[in-house]
Amino acid sequence: GQQLNQSPQSMFIQEGEDVSMNCTSSSIFNTWLWYKQDPGEGPVLLIALYKAGELTSNGRLTAQFGITRKDSFLNISASIPSDVGIYFCAGQPVSSNTGKLIFGQGTTLQVKP
Amino acid sequence: ETGVTQSPTHLIKTRGQQVTLRCSSQSGHNTVSWYQQALGQGPQFIFQYYREEENGRGNFPPRFSGLQFPNYSSELNVNALELDDSALYLCASSGSGGPTADTQYFGPGTRLTVL
Repeated sequence: GQQLNQSPQSMFIQEGEDVSMNCTSSSIFNTWLWYKQDPGEGPVLLIALYKAGELTSNGRLTAQFGITRKDSFLNISASIPSDVGIYFCAGQPVSSNTGKLIFGQGTTLQVKP
Repeated sequence: ETGVTQSPTHLIKTRGQQVTLRCSSQSGHNTVSWYQQALGQGPQFIFQYYREEENGRGNFPPRFSGLQFPNYSSELNVNALELDDSALYLCASSGSGGPTADTQYFGPGTRLTVL
């Protein structure tokens, strides 16, 4: 089945550092979404991307929809302690005629004050 | 604007029992999707409901079923519970129209424990 490969699996960084994570797929996606999930809660949408090549920012977060439509990255600049959590990429495959989202395995971010 | 809500927050059942989880979609949204998230994993798509009809299904057995009501709220029913059904069940709503119609917003989830 379709899978998203998300990397890195985990990151432990110092407050103030920049962070980068990415997702790749073997198939083409219509939409790329980035979510953050805190323990025991539902994923919260951070950034949504709808067109190949699109670069979108949300505060200190920046994400891009890859030109090949098979990848996306998320950057967090000047990390702060509240950035701690699990970040998921999710995509809607072109081959799907429903709103089915495929999720990556998640990147666990820890920030040391 | 009201976000996606789910009930109950937590639930404990025993193997073989049946469970019903509920979801109210975000105002203005007409589509509801259900996901199962096992510990340490990303959410897995169960199915989606649009206009009270199932609109796509993931790799889940028929004992996972759902409903959508005219007000767009939805239920997920699981029969003959198994230990592996223990997970966080997430509901997401979407469909406010326009190019961003498929963007899914998640509720807080229901934590189901099967003993």
